[in-house]
Amino acid sequence: DARVTQTPRHKVTEMGQEVTMRCQPILGHNTVFWYRQTMMQGLELLAYFRNRAPLDDSGMPKDRFSAEMPDATLATLKIQPSEPRDSAVYFCASGLGQGIDTEAFFGQGTRLTVV
Amino acid sequence: DQQVKQNSPSLSVQEGRISILNCDYTNSMFDYFLWYKKYPAEGPTFLISISSIKDKNEDGRFTVFLNKSAKHLSLHIVPSQPGDSAVYFCAASGVNFGNEKLTFGTGTRLTIIP
Repeated sequence: DARVTQTPRHKVTEMGQEVTMRCQPILGHNTVFWYRQTMMQGLELLAYFRNRAPLDDSGMPKDRFSAEMPDATLATLKIQPSEPRDSAVYFCASGLGQGIDTEAFFGQGTRLTVV
Repeated sequence: DQQVKQNSPSLSVQEGRISILNCDYTNSMFDYFLWYKKYPAEGPTFLISISSIKDKNEDGRFTVFLNKSAKHLSLHIVPSQPGDSAVYFCAASGVNFGNEKLTFGTGTRLTIIP
């Protein structure tokens, strides 16, 4: 069945290291989102793409985070250098359409721990 | 600045009773509201939604109520079942907020007591 696939599921890394999280959206979906879940902020939008073009990355710390879609089947979120405050669960979601009622389908998330 | 707020981090309800989860928002320009449900170690899944032109939407055991004047929405689950134990996120979207982009609350953990 169609689902959003995220890798890795878990990542533990040392402060200062580069982290790359990958997402395979549902085939045919034209919108891809990156969200971060923290206890204090809930689910925060980091960036999103429509038809592979970045539309909004205002939620992302630009100096260390970057999001790309090299092709329609792969989205990446990179953190370089990583910091302990980046520890969180990162979710990728994809959707079809561009209306306000577009349903977002979420992956299982990448739990990142930076020590 | 949290534009969508869920002020109750947790809620416990007896099985068979009604669960009521609340959500407040600050910006009247939101057009569409959604509830997502999340189990541990899984991503959120869509549950139910409501457009700002309506005040109620029902789907089986789940009903969402919208009070635009109070900028408040609630999710009612009746009767509550053990499988409803999860974290529930309220979210909002709108034409002025990037259409499909969702603004989420911090979530409410619902525990159904058998």
